[in-house]
Amino acid sequence: NAGVMQNPRHLVRRRGQEARLRCSPMKGHSHVYWYRQLPEEGLKFMVYLQKENIIDESGMPKERFSAEFPKEGPSILRIQQVVRGDSAAYFCASSRDGGWNEQYFGPGTRLTVT
Amino acid sequence: QKEVEQNSGPLSVPEGAIASLNCTYSDRGSQSFFWYRQYSGKSPELIMSIYSNGDKEDGRFTAQLNKASQYVSLLIRDSQPSDSATYLCAVNQGGSEKLVFGKGMKLTVNP
Repeated sequence: NAGVMQNPRHLVRRRGQEARLRCSPMKGHSHVYWYRQLPEEGLKFMVYLQKENIIDESGMPKERFSAEFPKEGPSILRIQQVVRGDSAAYFCASSRDGGWNEQYFGPGTRLTVT
Repeated sequence: QKEVEQNSGPLSVPEGAIASLNCTYSDRGSQSFFWYRQYSGKSPELIMSIYSNGDKEDGRFTAQLNKASQYVSLLIRDSQPSDSATYLCAVNQGGSEKLVFGKGMKLTVNP
């Protein structure tokens, strides 16, 4: 499968727990973007990463949220001490180059906070 | 936050008709424009990209861009029931790689 991969596809967490969402970009792509889609709302940019670098995190909430894209392995979006308002679909996209190139989306992780 | 506006719809067309979807954006620095299709419960699927003024055709899809009017549109010819989905307009925020999305237009193609 050469597409963007995300896991888990569904994640249930109780309030206060940590959520870890993983994203492996499409083969040949080195740029990763995370977006969040809240129920009945549009897709919102969260963070843009290249290997070992956060390029733009202007859409990340200031607290509890962090992202990384290590030299080896997938990109990880971490949400600490989840609250019910974090329940959403989290999508990862990747592109071959940065700039204004096409971004291809993974299947998403649906996070439910109970 | 720069805005991307789409008519909220929904839009309903008969099978075989042309569906026209419109989008306006506020950031004059934007350089890349995309249309994504999202089926209910699924992820966005890229269907068209356009970077220059004018028309770009790909099969039954035509994207149109007018930077002076800050307007981008998508035409779907010979609409099929399988085209029924929400269509998202996305625009890069000028000078950055992040995409700003419209809220989407739900299209229903009736057999």
